[in-house]
Amino acid sequence: DGGITQSPKYLFRKEGQNVTLSCEQNLNHDAMYWYRQDPGQGLRLIYYSQIVNDFQKGDIAEGYSVSREKKESFPLTVTSAQKNPTAFYLCASSIDGGNEQFFGPGTRLTVL
Amino acid sequence: EDKVVQSPLSLVVHEGDTVTLNCSYEVTNFRSLLWYKQEKKAPTFLFMLTSSGIEKKSGRLSSILDKKELSSILNITATQTGDSAIYLCAVAGSNTGKLIFGQGTTLQVKP
Repeated sequence: DGGITQSPKYLFRKEGQNVTLSCEQNLNHDAMYWYRQDPGQGLRLIYYSQIVNDFQKGDIAEGYSVSREKKESFPLTVTSAQKNPTAFYLCASSIDGGNEQFFGPGTRLTVL
Repeated sequence: EDKVVQSPLSLVVHEGDTVTLNCSYEVTNFRSLLWYKQEKKAPTFLFMLTSSGIEKKSGRLSSILDKKELSSILNITATQTGDSAIYLCAVAGSNTGKLIFGQGTTLQVKP
C-alpha cells in the first residue's frame, strides 16, 4: 500500500531536549512538507523540500531543523530553541510543489 | 504577503441543514485552490479548483471558484453528523512549491 507514515503517534519530551519526528513516504513524490497545527487553528508551514538534498524554510522555521537525504524520508527535529513545541505535527507529500498534498496521520508532541 | 482567510471560523447546524463555507485569498499568480476535510488526524482531500475547472461536485458536497472575487465556497447539502470536521482551504500561487492554508472552519452537525 502506498502512503505516508509518521512516527511516533504520541511523543512526550522534557524541556531542553531535542526530539526527531519521522516521516516516510512510498508514493515516489518529490515534494515533502512539515506543518504544525495548534488547537482550533489551521496548518502553519515549518519546512518544505521540493527535491532531495534541498529544503526551504516555511513560515515558522525557528527552533526546527530538517534533512532530506533520501527521497522517501523527511525527518523533523524539534530543538530546545523552540519555545512552545507542544502541538500536532503533520507531514505531507505531493508529486510536485503546489499540487494536491497527501498527509500522514500526524504526531502529537507534548512537552512536560 | 500571500493570505488565505476562511469564514466562519466555526459553525453549528442540525442534520439536514445546508451549509456554505467561504474561502477568500490574496495570492501572487494563483494556480489552484484546494479543499480538505480534517476529522481526527490527517486532512483528506476533497476538491481542487483551477482556472480550467472552477466547479466540482461529489455527492452532497460541491465547490465553486470565483476568480473575479478571489474566493471559493464549499457547499454541503443535507448535512449529516459525519460531516462534523474542520474544513481547510489552501491555495497554491506562483511557483513556490507550497500551499498556503486558511485557519479552517470547524463544523459541528447536531443530530
